[in-house]
Amino acid sequence: AQSVTQPDIHITVSEGASLELRCNYSYGATPYLFWYVQSPGQGLQLLLKYFSGDTLVQGIKGFEAEFKRSQSSFNLRKPSVHWSDAAEYFCAVAPGSSNTGKLIFGQGTTLQVKP
Amino acid sequence: DTGVSQDPRHKITKRGQNVTFRCDPISEHNRLYWYRQTLGQGPEFLTYFQNEAQLEKSRLLSDRFSAERPKGSFSTLEIQRTEQGDSAMYLCASSPGTSASTDTQYFGPGTRLTVL
Repeated sequence: AQSVTQPDIHITVSEGASLELRCNYSYGATPYLFWYVQSPGQGLQLLLKYFSGDTLVQGIKGFEAEFKRSQSSFNLRKPSVHWSDAAEYFCAVAPGSSNTGKLIFGQGTTLQVKP
Repeated sequence: DTGVSQDPRHKITKRGQNVTFRCDPISEHNRLYWYRQTLGQGPEFLTYFQNEAQLEKSRLLSDRFSAERPKGSFSTLEIQRTEQGDSAMYLCASSPGTSASTDTQYFGPGTRLTVL
């Protein structure tokens, strides 16, 4: 069965520092991969997605992610974190063979930003 | 484009009562999804509609749960005889319907259910 693992439940970084959030997936074929952000009281917002092609994907708010098939990973990065980035981040996979598009989410990583 | 809206945003109910939630997707989006999110977890898929047809239901959706999407527009999710284990955030998402796996799903703010 497909699954997504986000090994870090909480991460704290200082404002201006770089950030990397880890995501590992389990899926036989090439999956479609997504990163969403959820702020308190807000709906999930898509940061970026990967389907094929260039394995380095650029998203909104200065985020990027790199797909590494050999490591079954899709880690999210940002060179310099802002206080407004504090939120919960979810990695998700949509099986490429699915005809529903349902997303399978990891358990999330809570990001705290120190001033 | 007003986004996906959900109503109510919060619902507190007593065990055994029935509750109904509403989701209004983005206009002209064909696909509509319901997810459930419990504290400290990522969202879990519940069910999916393409237009008015409910095409997939998760095993999480017990027979106390029913969802509809009449006329392929808004959707309702009803929980009968609520249990404390139903307490969660219920999220609705919609997508254009161009491609199931690659379309972006746009999420609403959710309905937080608390069962006392």
